[in-house]
Amino acid sequence: DIQMTQSPSSLSASVGDRVTITCRASQGIMNYLAWYQQKPGKVPNLLIYAASTLQSGVPSRFSGSGSGTDFTLTISSLQPEDVATYYCQKYNSAPHTFGQGTKVEIK
Amino acid sequence: QITLKESGPTLVKPTQTLTLTCTFSGFSLSTSGVGVGWIRQPPGKALEWLALIYWDDDERHSPSLKSRLTITKDTSKNQVVLTMTNMDPVDTATYYCVYKKINYPFDYWGQGTLVTVSS
Repeated sequence: DIQMTQSPSSLSASVGDRVTITCRASQGIMNYLAWYQQKPGKVPNLLIYAASTLQSGVPSRFSGSGSGTDFTLTISSLQPEDVATYYCQKYNSAPHTFGQGTKVEIK
Repeated sequence: QITLKESGPTLVKPTQTLTLTCTFSGFSLSTSGVGVGWIRQPPGKALEWLALIYWDDDERHSPSLKSRLTITKDTSKNQVVLTMTNMDPVDTATYYCVYKKINYPFDYWGQGTLVTVSS
């Protein structure tokens, strides 16, 4: 089965900073990669799919890139409301494995 | 508007079988390409995908839990049922029902239901 590995597991950055989270698949998954945002105590919310397509309503400071095995989620200018845990997930075929999550905090 | 809602016990004893029901609206599970699945999240831990059933009765299960999971659908009732046998305290988690279309991610989630396994 394909494993999804995120890094870092947590980060602390200042408001306005550029933040980058990486996700690596143990085998190629083309671009069938999604990113979810889970704010504390809330239901996960789909941010990006097809590695780089923003879900409707998601602020443009979020972007995604990558294909094959290496993917990146970038927040161009971190805002206080972006405090959350971010998960990547492969969704082309089962098992639909998640990464272990990256917790983003404000410094 | 797609909505999903989980229902079931909030407390189960070790070794018991958990049965959760997802009741949904805004789509039909007889529509080609549509699926409903389950994801769980232990307190303070990561998301874990469990199982998925598609419109054509194709079922997919987490390999690590496959022997304990059953997923069924009742298209006429707009429901999907997940059963998990031999529950253990490590299965304590919030269980989410999710909507998916083939080649698309899980873009609609239920509110989740917390299931605690304790004697």
